[in-house]
Amino acid sequence: KAGVTQTPRYLIKTRGQQVTLSCSPISGHRSVSWYQQTPGQGLQFLFEYFSETQRNKGNFPGRFSGRQFSNSRSEMNVSTLELGDSALYLCASSGAVANTGELFFGEGSRLTVL
Amino acid sequence: GQNIDQPTEMTATEGAIVQINCTYQTSGFNGLFWYQQHAGEAPTFLSYNVLDGLEEKGRFSSFLSRSKGYSYLLLKELQMKDSASYLCAKEGAGGYQKVTFGIGTKLQVIP
Repeated sequence: KAGVTQTPRYLIKTRGQQVTLSCSPISGHRSVSWYQQTPGQGLQFLFEYFSETQRNKGNFPGRFSGRQFSNSRSEMNVSTLELGDSALYLCASSGAVANTGELFFGEGSRLTVL
Repeated sequence: GQNIDQPTEMTATEGAIVQINCTYQTSGFNGLFWYQQHAGEAPTFLSYNVLDGLEEKGRFSSFLSRSKGYSYLLLKELQMKDSASYLCAKEGAGGYQKVTFGIGTKLQVIP
């Protein structure tokens, strides 16, 4: 079956702009998590959605937001972009319901903020 | 990563055995994942430990000691394709995908 699909793969924005990233999970998976990956910090948890509800949130400012649709596709939005937001944003889906299961990651969206 | 420590880089020889250690805070702990990430690619699942002990899966094995807050990933018969980053990740109590990743160990396999 198809894997996790993230779009766009690469994008360049300038400070102050906003960006929306999209993630389509593996068919049948209802949990979608978002991570920010940078060389210095590694993978940092942003938030997790299950059946359109945010169940967990990491320690990121309110400029970072997300949502999940009824078909389990998810989007994350970053407003008022800062240079430090340049990173690889990874989406992961899981077929688990009540507990943590294996995460299946997408290839990521690489954001560069100039 | 938050409260997860693992070496930043390691180098090992093709055909050898390498052990990548990971320590974490035991509070709010449920289980321990290991993921592999090749440069420019997505992380892929290697193992998941909940109980103490060693879990073997082919050339890769993962060990967990819950009381000591310690895990290791053991790679045997190293191959050049094993050159990658290995991410230790702690599953928080309460489940629901509350997973915290370490910064990763970049392993270089040399001939």
